[in-house]
Amino acid sequence: KQEVTQIPAALSVPEGENLVLNCSFTDSAIYNLQWFRQDPGKGLTSLLLIQSSQREQTSGRLNASLDKSSGRSTLYIAASQPGDSATYLCAAYFGNEKLTFGTGTRLTIIP
Amino acid sequence: KAGVTQTPRYLIKTRGQQVTLSCSPISGHRSVSWYQQTPGQGLQFLFEYFSETQRNKGNFPGRFSGRQFSNSRSEMNVSTLELGDSALYLCASSLETGRVETQYFGPGTRLLVL
Repeated sequence: KQEVTQIPAALSVPEGENLVLNCSFTDSAIYNLQWFRQDPGKGLTSLLLIQSSQREQTSGRLNASLDKSSGRSTLYIAASQPGDSATYLCAAYFGNEKLTFGTGTRLTIIP
Repeated sequence: KAGVTQTPRYLIKTRGQQVTLSCSPISGHRSVSWYQQTPGQGLQFLFEYFSETQRNKGNFPGRFSGRQFSNSRSEMNVSTLELGDSALYLCASSLETGRVETQYFGPGTRLLVL
């Protein structure tokens, strides 16, 4: 069964720190992996999409990496800000052409 | 360019009723996917439509159905509502099939079944 896991479920860090969010998946035959953020009661905002042929993608203070052989992706957030507080979800496309989501990491940045 | 829109944003129904949710994708996007989000199960895929055809379906009972119109707008219908159908329903659109494309999500419709 193709699964996506995110640990920890919640994370609190002081403002200004760099942090890493983790995502693991069970099937190395992954087409791409996408990171989203979700604010309370809202929809999902796409942050970064990494194709299977890529190792990383960067957007501003965000950097996402993909390691198919180990079944892991990380989202690195530099110089965290209170506005970064949200739930971060990773989602993988496997061969079944549907997004499989992780359960998310709820991030709180402490001012 | 306008984003994905979903209507209504909030809905309260009672058990046994049926409900129809609507999703308008980003202009030019032909693929629309639907997801259910609950605290216990997280985000689960319902189905995907591309050019008016259902391409893929998740593990949901037949009470959940959908369709897509020629203008790519999509509707999702849930019949004989159960308490467990209370959830945030999200739709997402992409240019082509979702496999290699970034998906853009709408704000969701929050459904409460009493």
